[in-house]
Order: sequence, then C-alpha cells, then structure tokens
Amino acid sequence: DAGVTQSPTHLIKTRGQQVTLRCSPISGHKSVSWYQQVLGQGPQFIFQYYEKEERGRGNFPDRFSARQFPNYSSELNVNALLLGDSALYLCASTLEAGSYEQYFGPGTRLTVT
Amino acid sequence: AQKITQTQPGMFVQEKEAVTLDCTYDTSDQSYGLFWYKQPSSGEMIFLIYQGSYDEQNATEGRYSLNFQKARKSANLVISASQLGDSAMYFCAMREGGNGGSNYKLTFGKGTLLTVNP
Repeated sequence: DAGVTQSPTHLIKTRGQQVTLRCSPISGHKSVSWYQQVLGQGPQFIFQYYEKEERGRGNFPDRFSARQFPNYSSELNVNALLLGDSALYLCASTLEAGSYEQYFGPGTRLTVT
Repeated sequence: AQKITQTQPGMFVQEKEAVTLDCTYDTSDQSYGLFWYKQPSSGEMIFLIYQGSYDEQNATEGRYSLNFQKARKSANLVISASQLGDSAMYFCAMREGGNGGSNYKLTFGKGTLLTVNP
C-alpha cells in the first residue's frame, strides 16, 4: 500500500508570494494533519482535518489555511510568505484504531527568499 | 511550560550497545498517548512505538522499548543492540485526550540526535 504522499518535494518562493502544498493520505485514512518543522526544532502542529472538517488549529496566523477534499486529500495554503515560513512542511494521516498513530509523508521543503 | 522535554541534544553510542533517550512530559489530562518517532536525514518521520497512559505494561517493538514511569511523567526510549542505521533524530511526542474523538494533535519535543559509532 502507498504511504502518505506530498508534493512538491522542494519549493523556492519569494517573500510576499503565495504557496500551495498538497498531501494524499494513506488509503482509508480520513484524517490529515499538517505540521511545520523549522530547522533544529520538532514539528509544530498547524491544522487537522477529519472528514473534510477542521478539527484543530495550532498557533499560526491567518495567512495559513487548509482544506480537505472528498477523497481525503488536503491542501495547505500560505499567503504573503515571510522568510520565517521557510521550513519542512509535514503531512500526516491517522490510523483511526488502536494507538491512533500518525503516519507522516516525506515532507515539502519550502524556502522563502 | 514545555509539554515535552528532551534534555539530550545529542547522544553517542557504540554499535551493538544499548542507549536510552530521555523524555519527560507535562499534562493535566488523565488520558493521553506518548509516541516516539525517528527522523533520518531524508526528513520523513517514522513511527517507532506508542504508550497509552492507561497501559500497565511498558511498550515494546522489536529493538525498541519504552520505559514508562507515570508518576515521574517520563517516557524514555530504549534502543537495544544499536545499529549504524539507527543514526537519526529521535522525537518524543504526546497526544492529550483519549483515543478517538478525532483529536489527533501531536506535541513534539525538540529531539535528540543519535549517532551510532562503528
């Protein structure tokens, strides 16, 4: 079975631009979460979607938004990019049984110049 | 206050030896879950092991075991018989609240960089 997939793998943007990152969860997983990992830190929670509804939001500005589609894939949008938005953006889908562990994708490395 | 504390920025271990990575946590919830993830230089987070707050036995998964001391709020990861491929960043994480309920937010520590020497 395919794991969590993310696209693109790398992205370079200029300050002020907008970016869209994409994620496809593991087949059958209905929940997708987004995390931002700045260099040298642990991942920080941005959003969680379950059955196409937002179920959680981290401490991020309104420039960050997301949505989930009927096929459970998800997009993360970031507007008015700042240099500080440079990070690895990780998407995770959740096994809704047992430990409810999250399975992470390979991430999208965003560089803002 | 930090919810997950990993006090070891870096650790070194000889191949085939055991190593313990420390993690302490802070929560007022009675029901919570503790996770360890491995992150190689490629960036992908790999799930290693899970411990539920009500689990009486320490979790084990192959060479990984979790030393869960609830009263001390610690959840240390023990890797036995270290291998060169174990060299990576290791993150401790917590999910507060019970399983289900569609609340899956994880809070991560800052990580420990493990280097396995031949």
